[in-house]
Amino acid sequence: QQQVKQSPQSLIVQKGGISIINCAYENTAFDYFPWYQQFPGKGPALLIAIRPDVSEKKEGRFTISFNKSAKQFSLHIMDSQPGDSATYFCAASKTSGTYKYIFGTGTRLKVLA
Amino acid sequence: ETGVTQTPRHLVMGMTNKKSLKCEQHLGHNAMYWYKQSAKKPLELMFVYSLEERVENNSVPSRFSPECPNSSHLFLHLHTLQPEDSALYLCASSQDGGFEQYFGPGTRLTVT
Repeated sequence: QQQVKQSPQSLIVQKGGISIINCAYENTAFDYFPWYQQFPGKGPALLIAIRPDVSEKKEGRFTISFNKSAKQFSLHIMDSQPGDSATYFCAASKTSGTYKYIFGTGTRLKVLA
Repeated sequence: ETGVTQTPRHLVMGMTNKKSLKCEQHLGHNAMYWYKQSAKKPLELMFVYSLEERVENNSVPSRFSPECPNSSHLFLHLHTLQPEDSALYLCASSQDGGFEQYFGPGTRLTVT
């Protein structure tokens, strides 16, 4: 009930391509879904987040697609750049009480120049 | 930088040592978190402090002891650790009632 399953574990994309990372959750009480980006030697940094009242949110080259009925959400990185090479984590949380994230296992993205 | 600092950045300790990790946030937040990050595993929430009171302890062994003296500072006291405790320990903060957590760079801990 508390797991967030993330795939793929690793991803290699050509420069200019689209990177897609998928996550699935089980607990229907979750209502906040952030994506974090982590570079080596740094802590995770919030990239983009979505609430379940919308099916898509776009910020620049980054888009979250959300499917409430399937309990799935995904991150799309358009026009992927070598500077996007990092580890990406999805997470899920309830917005009542103290916000405790349940994280996915992470996806290591490498964008080839 | 995110406004959350952690010291030291790297720590090597023996199993019989006692050491402490420090976290400081400069964001005016009132909730702070300790996470453990191990390879190929999800980030594990260890402790949550809200308004300086511990509100969450996720079955963490007693060899880890948190302390939150004020809303800007968080410590993790370590004693008699095991090699499997080697990991990256991340601190985060948020404004209670806000969704976003801001992470520090972490302390890479190696237990020998």
